[in-house]
Amino acid sequence: GAVVSQHPSWVICKSGTSVKIECRSLDFQATTMFWYRQFPKQSLMLMATSNEGSKATYEQGVEKDKFLINHASLTLSTLTVTSAHPEDSSFYICSARASGGRREQFFGPGTRLTVL
Amino acid sequence: QQQVKQSPQSLIVQKGGISIINCAYENTAFDYFPWYQQFPGKGPALLIAIRPDVSEKKEGRFTISFNKSAKQFSLHIMDSQPGDSATYFCAATRYGQNFVFGPGTRLSVLP
Repeated sequence: GAVVSQHPSWVICKSGTSVKIECRSLDFQATTMFWYRQFPKQSLMLMATSNEGSKATYEQGVEKDKFLINHASLTLSTLTVTSAHPEDSSFYICSARASGGRREQFFGPGTRLTVL
Repeated sequence: QQQVKQSPQSLIVQKGGISIINCAYENTAFDYFPWYQQFPGKGPALLIAIRPDVSEKKEGRFTISFNKSAKQFSLHIMDSQPGDSATYFCAATRYGQNFVFGPGTRLSVLP
């Protein structure tokens, strides 16, 4: 149990285009989903927290107009990187936390974004 | 106060040895302390977690030791195997929100 999937696992795009990454909780309902960014050999950097049906809460320094997050259902959240640039190239990882006051956070396999 | 410190940055252990990774926190409001294992190119996987009302938790070869008064917790990997070679992150959270992650420890277990 507690499986989180991400799609796509990797994507290469041209500068200026938008890329959508999907995060799904496969066997549980996720009240809260988190989006992280990870650079090589570094820790996870929280970008935003999204609760189902609510607007996402972005961390300081993260542009909400550039990284659009939608949490339309209890099993799906999407991250859209708008007008991507080479500096947006990174490993994006989502995680999900079940409802009912659970503390555990389960991570997806990550999406490698390369912007040319 | 939100920071979680982790050491060592890297660790090399012989097969069969004990790997020990330490973390320290400042915020006494944290109520859940998980450890995650991450292989290159993969997302972190929850390994084991502990709440502050328990001093030790063991699951197979993995043990968390928790010292509430010192605000420290550690991960012990017994009988370390080459397959354990990965990056390990400690984390802390209150109510499952705003997870704070340590910088990570790269473990290499030599065959």
